[in-house]
Amino acid sequence: QLQLQESGPGLVKPSETLSLTCTVSGGSISSSSYYWGWIRQPPGKGLEWIGSIYYSGSTYYNPSLKSRVTISVDTSKNQFSLKLSSVTAADTAVYYCARRAVTTSIDYWGQGTLVTVSS
Amino acid sequence: QSVLTQPPSVSAAPGQKVTISCSGSSSNIGNNYVSWYQQLPGTAPKLLIYDNNKRPSGIPDRFSGSKSGTSATLGITGLQTGDEADYYCGTWDSSLSALVFGGGTKLTVL
Repeated sequence: QLQLQESGPGLVKPSETLSLTCTVSGGSISSSSYYWGWIRQPPGKGLEWIGSIYYSGSTYYNPSLKSRVTISVDTSKNQFSLKLSSVTAADTAVYYCARRAVTTSIDYWGQGTLVTVSS
Repeated sequence: QSVLTQPPSVSAAPGQKVTISCSGSSSNIGNNYVSWYQQLPGTAPKLLIYDNNKRPSGIPDRFSGSKSGTSATLGITGLQTGDEADYYCGTWDSSLSALVFGGGTKLTVL
C-alpha cells in the first residue's frame, strides 16, 4: 500500500522560506504514470494546488504561487520536496503531499502537516 | 473565489439521496476529467470519483459521478451519518495550466 508522509518545521517566521519533504513508501516515485505534488488548505478553507513534479524533474506550478515555489525530487531517496519563499501569515495552512494521475485525479494523499507562519 | 463553483452546503435525511453540483467552463470541466474528493473532519481528502464517473476500489456504488458540458455532479444515495463531510470537485484548467478545485460543499445528514 502506497504511503506518503510529510515532514518539516511546523512554525516558520514571516519572510523566511517554508521547506517540506514528502517521503513515499510502498511504491516507486519513478513511476511514469504519476506526478507528485503539494496541495494546501488554510484553516477552515478549501483546497489549493501548489504544484507538481514528474520523476524526470519536469515541474508545474500554480501561476499564483509560481514566483515563490520550488518543487524538487530525489529519486534515490524516494522523496520530493517543497520550498515556498517569502512566506506571510496567508501561507499558514495544512500542507498535503499527494500522488496525481495523468488524468489529474489525486489518488493518494499524505496525512497533512500544519505549517504556521508567525514570528 | 474558486474557479469551480459548488454550493456551500447541502443536507438530507438518512437513507435519502443528495446531489452536489460543480460548475466550471470550457477551459476546465468542459475539456478535462473531473474528480471528486471526500474530506471527513480532521482528515486528508479521499478520492471518491475519478475520470468523471469511475470509482476507485473500495468506494461503494452509493457514490456516483457524471458530467455534462461544463458542469459535473456527485450523487450519493442511501445517505449515512458517516457521509457527513466536505466534498470537493477538481479538474485541470487548460487556460490557467493549473489544477483547480471547487470551494467545497458541506454535507449534513439530518
